[in-house]
Amino acid sequence: NAGVTQTPKFRVLKTGQSMTLLCAQDMNHEYMYWYRQDPGMGLRLIHYSVGEGTTAKGEVPDGYNVSRLKKQNFLLGLESAAPSQTSVYFCASSSPRARQETQYFGPGTRLLVL
Amino acid sequence: DQQVKQNSPSLSVQEGRISILNCDYTNSMFDYFLWYKKYPAEGPTFLISISSIKDKNEDGRFTVFLNKSAKHLSLHIVPSQPGDSAVYFCAAISNAGNNRKLIWGLGTSLAVNP
Repeated sequence: NAGVTQTPKFRVLKTGQSMTLLCAQDMNHEYMYWYRQDPGMGLRLIHYSVGEGTTAKGEVPDGYNVSRLKKQNFLLGLESAAPSQTSVYFCASSSPRARQETQYFGPGTRLLVL
Repeated sequence: DQQVKQNSPSLSVQEGRISILNCDYTNSMFDYFLWYKKYPAEGPTFLISISSIKDKNEDGRFTVFLNKSAKHLSLHIVPSQPGDSAVYFCAAISNAGNNRKLIWGLGTSLAVNP
């Protein structure tokens, strides 16, 4: 099992450009999440999904959109990138039936917006 | 307002000694607490958790203690090893509502010196 994978690992964008970050999990988890991590800010939830075809806003959703067309994939889109979106993005997944409600994380995507 | 607080940004201990990482919370509706470990350039990985109905949970070298009256939990690592050097995040889950999202602390960077 690969667990949670993220594509790409690193990307540089110019202000105003768009891109999509892909997250894939092979654990058949119902829940998936997108976080961003910035220095001194910890992990902040951007959007999440509790099942295929459903998404919801997290703590910092502005400037991002998401889609969950397939259970195993969760896409994070930036329509018009801004320097404030320079961050490390983590995807995670979990199962509501898991005893410990553990979230499993991908390795992260480093995004630099110039 | 930070609901989960890790007041020590960093901690340094000698190999073989005990590491104690602390976490305070403000929301009495939290019913589950987790510790995650994060190495540089990797995603967080689950370490240990504790339910609010317990006051201690042990897993090998790692023990988490919960003091509900003080709204405080701590992670003990005994004995500490250089490979334990990482950032440790405390996280909590609320039993209020249907949305059981993780609320994260800002992390404590642990350095275990040989």
